[in-house]
Amino acid sequence: AQTVTQSQPEMSVQEAETVTLSCTYDTSESDYYLFWYKQPPSRQMILVIRQEAYKQQNATENRFSVNFQKAAKSFSLKISDSQLGDAAMYFCAYAGNNDMRFGAGTRLTVKP
Amino acid sequence: NAGVMQNPRHLVRRRGQEARLRCSPMKGHSHVYWYRQLPEEGLKFMVYLQKENIIDESGMPKERFSAEFPKEGPSILRIQQVVRGDSAAYFCASSPRALNTEAFFGQGTRLTVV
Repeated sequence: AQTVTQSQPEMSVQEAETVTLSCTYDTSESDYYLFWYKQPPSRQMILVIRQEAYKQQNATENRFSVNFQKAAKSFSLKISDSQLGDAAMYFCAYAGNNDMRFGAGTRLTVKP
Repeated sequence: NAGVMQNPRHLVRRRGQEARLRCSPMKGHSHVYWYRQLPEEGLKFMVYLQKENIIDESGMPKERFSAEFPKEGPSILRIQQVVRGDSAAYFCASSPRALNTEAFFGQGTRLTVV
């Protein structure tokens, strides 16, 4: 089974600054998707950004962007101009054939 | 188009009782995933179902847990003879097709076993 690893249980960032959350994964598949989900205290899972493995260009959604390194099986999330509302648990996820797995999560704290 | 609906949102059961968690996927979605989240932990995959079929149940405990997704009606996660360790949030997600696509999540059912 595919595994997803988030090596940072907790991260902290000053408001308006930039933070990068790390994610690595293990797979033998060549075609798959990668996602970052945000889980605020409400516990709702909210999709932040997605990346198709066949695309070389890194996905970007407003202040959120990824650094996708397919050969290294790395998929980090960069949050620019951090806002207080960005504080949440962030989960990296892998979706392949018959499989969707999540990392253990990174708790992001935003300091005013 | 309503999102993924899970009910109940909160469920309290005494040890030894049965818990039934329901998940209605988004309209047009025939693939359902169930995840368990313990406090302060990530989502652990339990089972992946397609209409009337279990595709992958490798994350589900062998005993007391079962899941179904009938042709008509919601997907059901059933936990028999609950124990305190079953207390967790259970999330359901649905997708329109099996492969390589975003899953949409419900708001979860928080199960408390007393």
